[in-house]
Amino acid sequence: NAGVTQTPKFQVLKTGQSMTLQCAQDMNHEYMSWYRQDPGMGLRLIHYSVGAGITDQGEVPNGYNVSRSTTEDFPLRLLSAAPSQTSVYFCASSPRQGSGYTFGSGTRLTVV
Amino acid sequence: AQTVTQSQPEMSVQEAETVTLSCTYDTSESDYYLFWYKQPPSRQMILVIRQEAYKQQNATENRFSVNFQKAAKSFSLKISDSQLGDAAMYFCAYMRETSGSRLTFGEGTQLTVNP
Repeated sequence: NAGVTQTPKFQVLKTGQSMTLQCAQDMNHEYMSWYRQDPGMGLRLIHYSVGAGITDQGEVPNGYNVSRSTTEDFPLRLLSAAPSQTSVYFCASSPRQGSGYTFGSGTRLTVV
Repeated sequence: AQTVTQSQPEMSVQEAETVTLSCTYDTSESDYYLFWYKQPPSRQMILVIRQEAYKQQNATENRFSVNFQKAAKSFSLKISDSQLGDAAMYFCAYMRETSGSRLTFGEGTQLTVNP
């Protein structure tokens, strides 16, 4: 099993550009989430999903969109990149409520 | 809103010694889960240990154990026989029972292991 796969691993964007961070899991997990990690602030939840077709906002959703058309995939879209979105982004999945999450290896995004 | 506080930004320990990392949290819920995650320099987030709040028994995973004090809202991680590979950032995290599996993380504690 590959677990949780995130692509790309590194990305540089110009202010105003849009892009999609890809996330796929092959463990048939129902729950998936996106977090961003900034220095000194731990990880903060952007959006999450409790199953295909169901998504909801987390703590810091502004500037990001998600969709969950299949159990396997949970892409994160940056609509118009801003320097404040420079961060490391993690996708994670979990089989059920209360279980620990399996994390992807992260995407380091720089917006210039 | 739930908050998680790790009051020790940095800790160090000698190889083979024991170290305890502190975590406190704020919640009005009675049912929840607590976790410790490890993030080595590779950036990968690795689940170390999980505790269910309704269980009084402290969770243990090999050299890692927790001291869960529900009334005090405290959840510390003890690492015994520390190894060089334990050097990492450690995050405490909280999950409410009915939250859609949303995790709230603390700010992390950077652990250095000295040979």
